[in-house]
Amino acid sequence: AQSVTQPDIHITVSEGASLELRCNYSYGATPYLFWYVQSPGQGLQLLLKYFSGDTLVQGIKGFEAEFKRSQSSFNLRKPSVHWSDAAEYFCAVGFYNNNDMRFGAGTRLTVKP
Amino acid sequence: DGGITQSPKYLFRKEGQNVTLSCEQNLNHDAMYWYRQDPGQGLRLIYYSQIVNDFQKGDIAEGYSVSREKKESFPLTVTSAQKNPTAFYLCASNDRADTQYFGPGTRLTVL
Repeated sequence: AQSVTQPDIHITVSEGASLELRCNYSYGATPYLFWYVQSPGQGLQLLLKYFSGDTLVQGIKGFEAEFKRSQSSFNLRKPSVHWSDAAEYFCAVGFYNNNDMRFGAGTRLTVKP
Repeated sequence: DGGITQSPKYLFRKEGQNVTLSCEQNLNHDAMYWYRQDPGQGLRLIYYSQIVNDFQKGDIAEGYSVSREKKESFPLTVTSAQKNPTAFYLCASNDRADTQYFGPGTRLTVL
């Protein structure tokens, strides 16, 4: 079955530490790939996206993600986390027209001082 | 500034009532979407519209209705047939690069 999996429900990191959030998908073809961030009670903000080409994509707020076809993964990384990065992060996959866009269940990030 | 607005931010519904959530965009996007968000479940698609006067059901359309009379507007009505409507509702629109942008959301609570 087609699916998007974020294996970590909740991650806690110390401020200044590096971060990696995992995302795996199960689709027949390579979909479009997205990472969004959501602060409590707010909408989703796009961090970055991958459609094709260079498998390492840069986004806003110092985030990057790497597409690995062999692992069906699109993990999000940040070298040094700031307290303001505490939020919920969603991985999503889509296709042309995005009428079947699928979201992972989300990973909640807590940042320790 | 271009963007997506949703109103109201908070909405309370009594049993048996229909309520309508507003979504407006000034991004000139053709496609618009409604999602429902419940804790720990990510987002689930309720309805989408690719063009004015046309819309399609998503995964969880039962108990909801929509209209698309104008390009800028895509209101969602939560009917009394929706048995568990308490949730956070998000509206989105799609640009021509197939990227979705989201509004700030409406939190609906059943009293």
